[in-house]
Amino acid sequence: KAGVTQTPRYLIKTRGQQVTLSCSPISGHRSVSWYQQTPGQGLQFLFEYFSETQRNKGNFPGRFSGRQFSNSRSEMNVSTLELGDSALYLCASSHEGAANTGELFFGEGSRLTVL
Amino acid sequence: LAKTTQPISMDSYEGQEVNITCSHNNIATNDYITWYQQFPSQGPRFIIQGYKTKVTNEVASLFIPADRKSSTLSLPRVSLSDTAVYYCLVGALKAGTALIFGKGTTLSVSS
Repeated sequence: KAGVTQTPRYLIKTRGQQVTLSCSPISGHRSVSWYQQTPGQGLQFLFEYFSETQRNKGNFPGRFSGRQFSNSRSEMNVSTLELGDSALYLCASSHEGAANTGELFFGEGSRLTVL
Repeated sequence: LAKTTQPISMDSYEGQEVNITCSHNNIATNDYITWYQQFPSQGPRFIIQGYKTKVTNEVASLFIPADRKSSTLSLPRVSLSDTAVYYCLVGALKAGTALIFGKGTTLSVSS
């Protein structure tokens, strides 16, 4: 079974630009969550989607947004990029049947550098 | 969500048993304890999960005392490849509950 796929793996942008990152979850997984990882702040939760609906949101400004499509693929967008947005952006999917097992399957991440 | 406290870093040698303790004094009745492992430039990977007493799988054991205010991840006979960051998470296994990662424990294994 293929794992979580994130694209692009690396990208460089300049301040003020916007970026869109993509995540394809494991087949059959309907929950997709996004995390930002920086050396100073560690892993921080951005938001979580399930069946195209955002169920949970972390404490990030409105410049950070996301969506989920009917095939469970998800995208996140960051507008008006700032230097501090440089980070590894991780996507994770999980399978929710009768209960949430709490086991997330992470992709390898998209490393964003803002110059 | 219960807050967790772990040591920032630990050092060990190959072949030793490593125990990483996590404190979660405010754990709720419905909360489970989950541990993840992360290598540099990779996403975290699920290691083990438990509710009470002891859980063991092929890579680790998780010890949880009766009061559940702490837990200990035990890695038997570590190798260089176990050098990674280990995260302790506490939360309810409820749909839509966000998993909150702390700063984790950086384990360094030397030969």
